[in-house]
Amino acid sequence: DIQMTQSPSSLSASVGDRVTITCQASQDINKFLNWYQQKPGKPPKLLIYDASNLETGVPSRFSGSGSGTDFTVTISSLQPEDIATYYCQQYDNLPYTFGQGTKLEIK
Amino acid sequence: QVQLVQSGAEVKKPGASVKVSCKASGYAFTDKYLNWVRQTPGQGLQWMGRINPDTGDTYYAQEFQDRLTLTRDTSITTAYMDLSGLTSDDTAIYYCARGKFEWFSGNFDFWGQGTLVTVSS
Repeated sequence: DIQMTQSPSSLSASVGDRVTITCQASQDINKFLNWYQQKPGKPPKLLIYDASNLETGVPSRFSGSGSGTDFTVTISSLQPEDIATYYCQQYDNLPYTFGQGTKLEIK
Repeated sequence: QVQLVQSGAEVKKPGASVKVSCKASGYAFTDKYLNWVRQTPGQGLQWMGRINPDTGDTYYAQEFQDRLTLTRDTSITTAYMDLSGLTSDDTAIYYCARGKFEWFSGNFDFWGQGTLVTVSS
């Protein structure tokens, strides 16, 4: 199975900050990576697919980049409603696998 | 609008089985894969398997190969996840999640609300 490693595990930032979360795959996954946002008590929400494509309705302050083994998701200007846990997920190989999550908090 | 509505919370004893349903609406049920993902505090998000609602073809993660069964009933646009041989490690929230694109399962664009399964003696 492909292992997905996110960093950091948790992150504290201020409103308006630029925030970046990274995800590393244990082998080349081309561009086959999704990012999800999960708020407490809710299912995950698809933010970005194919590493850099913004899902419909997702604010443009979110962006994704990377290919191969190294990927990032960036929030250009952190808003209070962005407080959540973020997960990456590869879909290059079955079984699909997720990162362990990055919990984002407001400073 | 697309909706996936799951059945309610379950409490099971070790060794028992659980069957969770996922009722789909708002789109052509047979056009999109349905995946099952579970979430535990210890293991995070874990993909369990998928079903092609059109053909009934399934793929299971190796870890669940021997005790997971995914089925569907196209007449009522509902998918089912049946997990047997439950242990306390199976205590989790179970989600169904739709594949975004036709004939491809890897991007999960709509999710059910989740079903808490508690395994306890």
